[in-house]
Amino acid sequence: QAVVTQEPSLTVSPGGTVTLTCASSTGSVTSGHYPYWFQQKPGQAPRTLIYDTFNRHSSTPARFSASLLGGKAALTLSGAQPEDEADYYCLVFYDGGLDWVFGGGTKLTVL
Amino acid sequence: DVQLVESGGGLVQPGGSLRLSCVASGFTFSDNWMTWLRQAPGKGLERVANINQDGSEKYYVDSVKGRFTISRDNTKNSLYLQMNSLRAEDTAVYYCVRGPFTLTEFRGQGTLVTVSS
Repeated sequence: QAVVTQEPSLTVSPGGTVTLTCASSTGSVTSGHYPYWFQQKPGQAPRTLIYDTFNRHSSTPARFSASLLGGKAALTLSGAQPEDEADYYCLVFYDGGLDWVFGGGTKLTVL
Repeated sequence: DVQLVESGGGLVQPGGSLRLSCVASGFTFSDNWMTWLRQAPGKGLERVANINQDGSEKYYVDSVKGRFTISRDNTKNSLYLQMNSLRAEDTAVYYCVRGPFTLTEFRGQGTLVTVSS
């Protein structure tokens, strides 16, 4: 089974910019993998930020954007806010959408 | 508004069984694939099983094959997960979500399954 890899932790200054990435052991992540990004705060269920590579959920602030970068899915946060401190998970679909593989998550600290 | 309400979790001994339920509202349940996901305490997310619209296709992560069964009742807008031969490593919060092939969102708080003696 594929393995999806994310940075275990990242730190960003308030107002700063940070990029989280999501790599696949099978090769480049493409739009055909329909990557998702979720945000999860302690004690809460995950929340969908981005779906199908770069589409913002209706509730996602515009400071979050997504792209494909160097064979990886990428989530960029521009103008970090204290409330953005959370765990972020990417999801990559394989086998025509039937096999879902999550990355291990990135713990983002805003400090 | 889409709602997914999971229930049925609890404390069970190793080797025991539980049946999880998920009641859906706010969308046409019978038009959608559905999936069970889980998250062990302090760990990441994992797909457990998914099922197509009429229940004729079911797919499982290897670690639960032969022990878990996903099913649905479209007349009741309900998704189920029968879990048998439970192990400590099945301890997790279980979520039901729509998808694949549609927008996937966590619309419930999940239900906690704890496998311990």
